[in-house]
Amino acid sequence: SYELTQPPSVSVSPGQTASIPCSGDKLGDKNVCWYQQKPGQSPILIIYQDYKRPSGIPERFSGSNSGNTATLTISGTQAMDEAEYYCQAWDTSTVVFGGGTKLTVL
Amino acid sequence: EVQLVESGGGLVQPGGSLRLSCAASGFTFSTYWMHWVRQAPGKGLVWVSRINVPGSSTSYVDSVKGRLTISRDNAKNTVYLQMNSLRAEDTAVYYCTRSIGAAGNFDYWGRGTLVTVSS
Repeated sequence: SYELTQPPSVSVSPGQTASIPCSGDKLGDKNVCWYQQKPGQSPILIIYQDYKRPSGIPERFSGSNSGNTATLTISGTQAMDEAEYYCQAWDTSTVVFGGGTKLTVL
Repeated sequence: EVQLVESGGGLVQPGGSLRLSCAASGFTFSTYWMHWVRQAPGKGLVWVSRINVPGSSTSYVDSVKGRLTISRDNAKNTVYLQMNSLRAEDTAVYYCTRSIGAAGNFDYWGRGTLVTVSS
């Protein structure tokens, strides 16, 4: 079965840029979405179709996808961005999530 | 306003059954595929199952095949998850979400319902 791999944790200083990778076989051939989840809350879609942002999502969130790796980038990271982030893709008619990355804003 | 409201969770013994429901409102239910995603305590998101618009096609993650069954009632704007032969590892918050067909994103999520499998 298809797998998506994320690092368990990433740390960033306030105001700096955070990058969260998501890797999978030929992932660049698929559409990747990213979700943010804070403790006790439901996930929120923050990036879809590799790089598009839903309305209401700040411009500091961006995405890219090429080869075997998709990347979520958060520019000018704020304390409120501390959360768990999950990548997601479709494999035939099923769905796969990455294991999640805990972003810590130090 | 789009709303997805899950219900039916609770405490059940191993080997027992439970039926989850997800009531949808604020959008045209019969144009969206529906999904269940679960999250065990302190763990990540795991996609569980999906159903297409007419209910004629379903898919499941390998770990639940043969035990969980997804269905929908487009007249009632509701999607269900029948859970049989439950195991301790099925303990999780179960979220309902939607997508526009295959390859669509999950733009709205419910608040989830907790299923605890324990003796």
